[in-house]
Amino acid sequence: DVQMTQSPSTLSASVGDSVTITCRARQSLRDWVAWYQQKPGEAPKLLLSTASTLEGGVPSRFSGSGSGTQFTLSINSLQPEDFATYYCQQYMYFPTFGAGTKVHIK
Amino acid sequence: EVQMVESGGGLVQPGQSLRLSCIGSGFSFSDYGMNWIRQAPGKGLECVGFMKSEPYGGTIEHAASLRGRFTISKDASKNIVYLQMNSLQIDDTAVYYCTQWVGASSFSRHWGLGTLVTVSS
Repeated sequence: DVQMTQSPSTLSASVGDSVTITCRARQSLRDWVAWYQQKPGEAPKLLLSTASTLEGGVPSRFSGSGSGTQFTLSINSLQPEDFATYYCQQYMYFPTFGAGTKVHIK
Repeated sequence: EVQMVESGGGLVQPGQSLRLSCIGSGFSFSDYGMNWIRQAPGKGLECVGFMKSEPYGGTIEHAASLRGRFTISKDASKNIVYLQMNSLQIDDTAVYYCTQWVGASSFSRHWGLGTLVTVSS
């Protein structure tokens, strides 16, 4: 299986801050990476696919970039509803996920 | 509206079996691929297997780490996908989600609410 190394595992931030989460793979995934947001007690929600394509209805403060082996999810001007856990997923091979990044209030 | 509803979870003892069901509405599992994804309490996400749509061959693949204990199948007439889980172990305890692919890609736009499987003696 393709291991997705996600960092950081936790992130403290304040409303209005900008944050970046990174996922790395050991082999090229081209742009076959998706990002999800999960809040406690809920199923994950798809935010982006093909590394940078924003899902309909997702605020434009979320953005993704990268290709090959390194990918980033950026959130500009964090809002209260953005405090959650974020996961990357590669889907070029058998689907695998990063370990998650919990974004909590500083 | 696309919906998936999982059922069949519960409390079982180690070594026992359980079959989960995922009923789809608003779409056909013959036309869309799907994943079974699980999440152990307080842990991350793990794909336990997927089924491709019929146009892409209907291929089924399971996570190698399961060593053949889990099997995905489908009843197309009822639009239900099953996850048969045998020889359950304590670390199979998790919420199990049924998700729908987007086109031919195995990322998930639509998720069920999940069903909790607890393996404990």
